[in-house]
Amino acid sequence: ETGVTQTPRHLVMGMTNKKSLKCEQHLGHNAMYWYKQSAKKPLELMFVYSLEERVENNSVPSRFSPECPNSSHLFLHLHTLQPEDSALYLCASSQASGTGELFFGEGSRLTVL
Amino acid sequence: AQSVTQLGSHVSVSEGALVLLRCNYSSSVPPYLFWYVQYPNQGLQLLLKYTTGATLVKGINGFEAEFKKSETSFHLTKPSAHMSDAAEYFCAVSDFGATNKLIFGTGTLLAVQP
Repeated sequence: ETGVTQTPRHLVMGMTNKKSLKCEQHLGHNAMYWYKQSAKKPLELMFVYSLEERVENNSVPSRFSPECPNSSHLFLHLHTLQPEDSALYLCASSQASGTGELFFGEGSRLTVL
Repeated sequence: AQSVTQLGSHVSVSEGALVLLRCNYSSSVPPYLFWYVQYPNQGLQLLLKYTTGATLVKGINGFEAEFKKSETSFHLTKPSAHMSDAAEYFCAVSDFGATNKLIFGTGTLLAVQP
């Protein structure tokens, strides 16, 4: 496999469920990102991990919990979400000391009922 | 701080017509600039980037962009639109702060009419 892979591609969950989104990159990068893309809103950067350490958390509610066990994997744990959390969640990776160019996965489309 | 402004959230062109998507940036340092394309229900794909060197940058699918420092612009063009170009396009600038990340514009949705 190459590039950035996200699973699942689609997820429907109730407000009381707990689920996780997974991201895996095969590019040898050392930085990973979670973005949220809602309809008619700009891309929102949620979390940044560099060298497996969280270096940015943009005031994201605690019902979103990221985890980066190694430089190739990134998770977003979800619990007690709200309907307004329904969105496309995009994972990306890059070289921490590079140009900033991001390589994106296909996204996980989340619907909260 | 770095920022990007994309003028026109929706642009419509006829098939075969020139595509021009506008992007202006603000940066306190020499910028690295990017254009990404997003097809429905997919992630963002890099079209082209400018870091240093030649100011006219060629990308995939026949797109190109020109870095104009005097105008703080990085407009995306394609001489002849194809139906398959219908997508959303995002301009971005590197933020060389504590975290090396991209600052994205709000996107321009391109429609191509037959």
